[in-house]
Amino acid sequence: QKEVEQNSGPLSVPEGAIASLNCTYSDRGSQSFFWYRQYSGKSPELIMFIYSNGDKEDGRFTAQLNKASQYVSLLIRDSQPSDSATYLCAVTTGGFKTIFGAGTRLFVKA
Amino acid sequence: SQTIHQWPATLVQPVGSPLSLECTVEGTSNPNLYWYRQAAGRGLQLLFYSVGIGQISSEVPQNLSASRPQDRQFILSSKKLLLSDSGFYLCAWRATGYSDGYTFGSGTRLTVV
Repeated sequence: QKEVEQNSGPLSVPEGAIASLNCTYSDRGSQSFFWYRQYSGKSPELIMFIYSNGDKEDGRFTAQLNKASQYVSLLIRDSQPSDSATYLCAVTTGGFKTIFGAGTRLFVKA
Repeated sequence: SQTIHQWPATLVQPVGSPLSLECTVEGTSNPNLYWYRQAAGRGLQLLFYSVGIGQISSEVPQNLSASRPQDRQFILSSKKLLLSDSGFYLCAWRATGYSDGYTFGSGTRLTVV
C-alpha cells in the first residue's frame, strides 16, 4: 500500500527560527510532490510544489526533494506566529490520485 | 480565476438520516473534481473523483455516493448516515498537469449524532 509518512508533531520553534518539516513516501514511481498548509478548522491551501531532486525556493519557503532516499522536506525561514498550522505533504504518482500524509502541526512561539 | 464553492459549512445530522453536500466550481470548464474526507488527526482520504459529467470513480466502498449532474457541480450523498461518517468533507478541483495541486473548497464539518 502506498504511504506518505509525516511526524505528527507538534513541532515548536521560536519566532525567527527555521522550521524543518519532513515527509517520506513509499512509492518510487511518485512524480510530483506538494506541500499544503492547513489552519485549524480551514481547508488546505497549496504552498509549494517540487518534482525534481534538489531545492526549490519561494520566499521564506524551501522545498527539498531526494528521490533516492524517498523523502521531501519543507523549510520555513524566519518563522512567524502566522505560520502556526498543520502542514500536509502530498505525493502524486500520476493520473488522478494523490496520497496525503496526516500532517505535521507547527507551532511558532512569539 | 477559478473558485470553488461548498456548502453547508457545518452540519449536525442524526444517525440514519440522509446527506447531501454540494460543490460548484467557477472559472474553468470540464474540471477534475474530488471529494475528500478528513477525520480528526488523520490525513485526507479520497472518496470519489470525477473527470466529467456522469463519470464517478469510487475509492472507498461505503454508504456514500457521488454524482455529477452538471459540468461544474459535484454532489456527495448518503441515504443513511453512520457515526463513522463524521468528519471534515472537502471538495476540490485539480487540473491534470504534473505541477497542478488541488484547490479546495471551504469544507463541511459533519457531525453525526
